[in-house]
Amino acid sequence: QQQVKQSPQSLIVQKGGISIINCAYENTAFDYFPWYQQFPGKGPALLIAIRPDVSEKKEGRFTISFNKSAKQFSLHIMDSQPGDSATYFCAASPAGRRALTFGSGTRLQVQP
Amino acid sequence: ETGVTQSPTHLIKTRGQQVTLRCSSQSGHNTVSWYQQALGQGPQFIFQYYREEENGRGNFPPRFSGLQFPNYSSELNVNALELDDSALYLCASSLKTDSGPHYGYTFGSGTRLTVV
Repeated sequence: QQQVKQSPQSLIVQKGGISIINCAYENTAFDYFPWYQQFPGKGPALLIAIRPDVSEKKEGRFTISFNKSAKQFSLHIMDSQPGDSATYFCAASPAGRRALTFGSGTRLQVQP
Repeated sequence: ETGVTQSPTHLIKTRGQQVTLRCSSQSGHNTVSWYQQALGQGPQFIFQYYREEENGRGNFPPRFSGLQFPNYSSELNVNALELDDSALYLCASSLKTDSGPHYGYTFGSGTRLTVV
């Protein structure tokens, strides 16, 4: 059972544009929602994370929007740069955070 | 501060063989988790070790086993390798406290296992 659904599978954005990646979850026990960035040949690196008690969190050019009632959250990358080209994963975990459940990933390509 | 290091980086094994993958956790971290990432997919949780004991397990058969050592390093062992075990195996370390949840998973670059 896929508990975190991520879309789109791939995304092409022009330099300076906004990249938007969406995720939906099913398990209401999830209470921690991180986004990871992965470059080829590397492990995932934490970008930004949110708890369900807030609806938005911003760090630099990266913003998470969270809709608890809809069980959806999204990542917005403002002023997208070619260096942002990577695969992005949403994830979720329940209280205690023993295990992260990852989405299937979005391959982002930012064209110069 | 050192990050998470995994060895080897690449490995080719024959179906039916056994394999051991190694992970050194980030300095200051006491918990190690292992994930399997198939090509084009998100990582899937295998298990986690805390205080040298398994502290949670995903939907993986018993032929996947692990160890955590007193210095918080860890091994992932897979017996009776199958072709579908071909994947990137990721180790992630974190700091767990008794009083609360843990934070800051740091992933290594992984071991690419190919089973032929």
